[in-house]
Amino acid sequence: DVKVTQSSRYLVKRTGEKVFLECVQDMDHENMFWYRQDPGLGLRLIYFSYDVKMKEKGDIPEGYSVSREKKERFSLILESASTNQTSMYLCASRSPADTQYFGPGTRLTVL
Amino acid sequence: QKEVEQDPGPLSVPEGAIVSLNCTYSNSAFQYFMWYRQYSRKGPELLMYTYSSGNKEDGRFTAQVDKSSKYISLFIRDSQPSDSATYLCAMSGQGGSEKLVFGKGTKLTVNP
Repeated sequence: DVKVTQSSRYLVKRTGEKVFLECVQDMDHENMFWYRQDPGLGLRLIYFSYDVKMKEKGDIPEGYSVSREKKERFSLILESASTNQTSMYLCASRSPADTQYFGPGTRLTVL
Repeated sequence: QKEVEQDPGPLSVPEGAIVSLNCTYSNSAFQYFMWYRQYSRKGPELLMYTYSSGNKEDGRFTAQVDKSSKYISLFIRDSQPSDSATYLCAMSGQGGSEKLVFGKGTKLTVNP
């Protein structure tokens, strides 16, 4: 079974803090994605990566950056957290010949 | 017009009912169609995956794709309280690395 894990299930941070969310997948998938999910807005793509050290902006990249130094690991960075970044963050991975699998999510609260 | 439209519900049915969940889309290039189930405060889990048109059945679940109408459906037979969740449709084009486009999800409650 494909497994996508995220470093934290719940996280509380203060405004202005730098926040790291980490995602690891164990299926050697080329593609990895970060989404945020908010009530009424659905899933919105923040960033995605097709390969190591490659990244592409999604629909809402402002205020976020990403890092992919190893194929199995994709990190989302909030450089200076703000209250409007309080959300559920979901990581996903996908092989081009396969479908997409999600991690359990990180519920981030920024105070 | 949004690429993928999905009625958000909420949808409430009695246990044992047949449930029909639907999405419409506008992009005729979509070839891969998925349904995800998401329980509260959890990540989406893949439920059904179909390529191109036709039906696919897995236990109590049937996924149907009608490309001529740009319409996909998920049917749940003999619905159970454990089916209570939000159901998301998703789709993408032919390219293996294309991003998925998601519906906003339909919240389903199955009452015992």
